[in-house]
Amino acid sequence: EPEVTQTPSHQVTQMGQEVILRCVPISNHLYFYWYRQILGQKVEFLVSFYNNEISEKSEIFDDQFSVERPDGSNFTLKIRSTKLEDSAMYFCASSDQGRETQYFGPGTRLLVL
Amino acid sequence: GQNIDQPTEMTATEGAIVQINCTYQTSGFNGLFWYQQHAGEAPTFLSYNVLDGLEEKGRFSSFLSRSKGYSYLLLKELQMKDSASYLCAVSHSWGKFQFGAGTQVVVTP
Repeated sequence: EPEVTQTPSHQVTQMGQEVILRCVPISNHLYFYWYRQILGQKVEFLVSFYNNEISEKSEIFDDQFSVERPDGSNFTLKIRSTKLEDSAMYFCASSDQGRETQYFGPGTRLLVL
Repeated sequence: GQNIDQPTEMTATEGAIVQINCTYQTSGFNGLFWYQQHAGEAPTFLSYNVLDGLEEKGRFSSFLSRSKGYSYLLLKELQMKDSASYLCAVSHSWGKFQFGAGTQVVVTP
């Protein structure tokens, strides 16, 4: 069964450093999403992406965040200058034309020191 | 404001039925989703309602009343593996989603 994959599974970085989280959505999907979940807290929507542009973004998704689909398979989330509070699990998800079913990747656990 | 409320925790016995309620107040509505999340894992899609009524998928059913801003997820014939957090999420514009804090369901033998 096709699945969303994410790399790396864990990332440790120093405050102020840039990180890029990578996702490979399911191949025929058209809609892509990033979410984050701080330990013990709820899943928070960051951004949705369709047709090579951002569809919607939340208040969390400020100027330090960016997304890109650099080729036909990858979908990346870049955090330009990480802060301690960016420490969280970051989930990528994708959905097909129906949009109602989002398939989540296993997540990248980011720790900012 | 935007708000999604669901109980923090529910406990039920193996083989029983549990109903998890979710109420929401959002500025727009394009659908309500239920996800299951085991500790340390990614959410897994369970069901989706966009129109009023009941959607049934095996042991799981979900109900929506848009006029009341209310949904529930019904889990029947509970199994130990159903112990997890159940997340209610609202799409209030296509591509923008808001999750509730989740309901931790504990299934006891």
